[in-house]
Amino acid sequence: GAVVSQHPSRVICKSGTSVKIECRSLDFQATTMFWYRQFPKQSLMLMATSNEGSKATYEQGVEKDKFLINHASLTLSTLTVTSAHPEDSSFYICSAILAGQETQYFGPGTRLLVL
Amino acid sequence: RKEVEQDPGPFNVPEGATVAFNCTYSNSASQSFFWYRQDCRKEPKLLMSVYSSGNEDGRFTAQLNRASQYISLLIRDSKLSDSATYLCVVNTLISSGSARQLTFGSGTQLTVLP
Repeated sequence: GAVVSQHPSRVICKSGTSVKIECRSLDFQATTMFWYRQFPKQSLMLMATSNEGSKATYEQGVEKDKFLINHASLTLSTLTVTSAHPEDSSFYICSAILAGQETQYFGPGTRLLVL
Repeated sequence: RKEVEQDPGPFNVPEGATVAFNCTYSNSASQSFFWYRQDCRKEPKLLMSVYSSGNEDGRFTAQLNRASQYISLLIRDSKLSDSATYLCVVNTLISSGSARQLTFGSGTQLTVLP
């Protein structure tokens, strides 16, 4: 089956710093990747949809200047949380789909803690 | 109203019990439906797709009623390893018409007790 990796799996940083999270499709080319955020005891909330070679589409209420998404290749998308604050602490999960298919393959997630 | 609504539970059942989860969705244009399982502090994993004709995978049976916009999951002979959060997920063609979007319910927590 399709495998998606995320790095790092866990990060702790000081308030004000920027954090970059990588999402890679390991054995397939992903034309579209999605970034989700999940707060404790809540469901996954879609943050943005990332298409290779074009700008990401952000969901309402998600600041594009704070959550920078780059999808430079068919196997890699990055999410950068700029000037992170404690309220950005969350579980960030990416997913990827193969062109023409519906199934989303999820990465293992990145747990971010901002002190 | 939430797009996808689930009873949050928690459901605490003994091993061997049968348990049913329900889910309703608000967008009648939704096209495909899934149940995902999420273990604590892990990513969601696809459990099964849901079809109008109903489908079964071992101890798991999923049902879809498009008229009522209602989805169900039945787990028979529950095992300790079934303990997890079960997410009802709906796939909808977004307004631009070029992509689909998954909308997750908030999940139903199941604990199977020995």
